[in-house]
Amino acid sequence: EPEVTQTPSHQVTQMGQEVILRCVPISNHLYFYWYRQILGQKVEFLVSFYNNEISEKSEIFDDQFSVERPDGSNFTLKIRSTKLEDSAMYFCASSWDRIATNEKLFFGSGTQLSVL
Amino acid sequence: DQQVKQNSPSLSVQEGRISILNCDYTNSMFDYFLWYKKYPAEGPTFLISISSIKDKNEDGRFTVFLNKSAKHLSLHIVPSQPGDSAVYFCAASRTAGGSYIPTFGRGTSLIVHP
Repeated sequence: EPEVTQTPSHQVTQMGQEVILRCVPISNHLYFYWYRQILGQKVEFLVSFYNNEISEKSEIFDDQFSVERPDGSNFTLKIRSTKLEDSAMYFCASSWDRIATNEKLFFGSGTQLSVL
Repeated sequence: DQQVKQNSPSLSVQEGRISILNCDYTNSMFDYFLWYKKYPAEGPTFLISISSIKDKNEDGRFTVFLNKSAKHLSLHIVPSQPGDSAVYFCAASRTAGGSYIPTFGRGTSLIVHP
């Protein structure tokens, strides 16, 4: 079965450094998402991306965050200047269409980001 | 702002018995609900869903029940197996006339003992 691939699986960085989290969505999917889960908390929506632009974003997704689909296959999340509170598991997801009946998100296995 | 609540962080069940995982939501505009299962070191995988026009959806050992008036849904696993041990996430979406982005709960960790 096709899957969403995320790299790296773990990323450790110093506070204030830039990080880029990478994702390869399922090839024929058109909608892309980033979610994150801080340990013990709910899975939080960050941003969705469609047709080469952000379609929706949460209040978490501030100016420190950006997304890009540079080459038609990769989908990246950049955090410009990491903070301690950015430490979380970051999940990439994709779907063929907007979420409606019989549609669903396919998730990658996540990148565990640790900011020291 | 927890629009989707999974109030039980963990549940322990004996193999062969029924597991019931609960989920409550606050936004009455949600009309599509999904359950995901997550094993350690893996991403969440889709398990079962239900539209608000139904009150029950069944897929093998998994059944989801929706009580719209109570804004409550539950996932039943019968019979439970040790391989069902995982974290289960409830998610809700507003597919008609609003943000379709699924909102997730914080998950319930199910442990099925042999």
